[in-house]
Amino acid sequence: NAGVTQTPKFRVLKTGQSMTLLCAQDMNHEYMYWYRQDPGMGLRLIHYSVGEGTTAKGEVPDGYNVSRLKKQNFLLGLESAAPSQTSVYFCASRPGQGFNEQFFGPGTRLTVL
Amino acid sequence: AQSVTQLGSHVSVSEGALVLLRCNYSSSVPPYLFWYVQYPNQGLQLLLKYTSAATLVKGINGFEAEFKKSETSFHLTKPSAHMSDAAEYFCAVSDPRAANQAGTALIFGKGTTLSVSS
Repeated sequence: NAGVTQTPKFRVLKTGQSMTLLCAQDMNHEYMYWYRQDPGMGLRLIHYSVGEGTTAKGEVPDGYNVSRLKKQNFLLGLESAAPSQTSVYFCASRPGQGFNEQFFGPGTRLTVL
Repeated sequence: AQSVTQLGSHVSVSEGALVLLRCNYSSSVPPYLFWYVQYPNQGLQLLLKYTSAATLVKGINGFEAEFKKSETSFHLTKPSAHMSDAAEYFCAVSDPRAANQAGTALIFGKGTTLSVSS
């Protein structure tokens, strides 16, 4: 079991460029989440998904889009990157109803110049 | 709405000393509570969780936390710090009613960095 994996681990973008972050989990979890972590801010929820083909907005969704075409994958897209999106991005998954614990990936460190 | 406050963004202790990381929560219902640890350049790992069973919860690596409803607290402790405990620690809260609802996320505190000196 690899658990939750994220690709890439690091990325540097220029303002206006686009990119997609990939999250994959092999635990057959229903729910998946994207968070961003900024110094002194803790983790803030960007978007989440409660199942294949469904997505919903979290606390800080602006500037991001997501897709969950397959149960095991949750993609986070930045259409036009801005310096304010410089952050560490974490993906997490949760088994489903009746479980509150989330399992986290190792993170993607993104810098937007 | 639920919220979490971690008192002290940075805590420094000597090796062998008591570790105390403070977490207070705000919730309209008795919450589920979690402590996660993040080692440098790694993701978050669950240390322990409180889900309305015993109020004293034991976790991995010798950590424990006590749920005190009257104080709305869930402080993390370890009797004797080790150099390997140096990391960032996050307290998080969740609404137990959401366990059977779709897509509820954890609400995280801002984190406390623990430094351990020899």
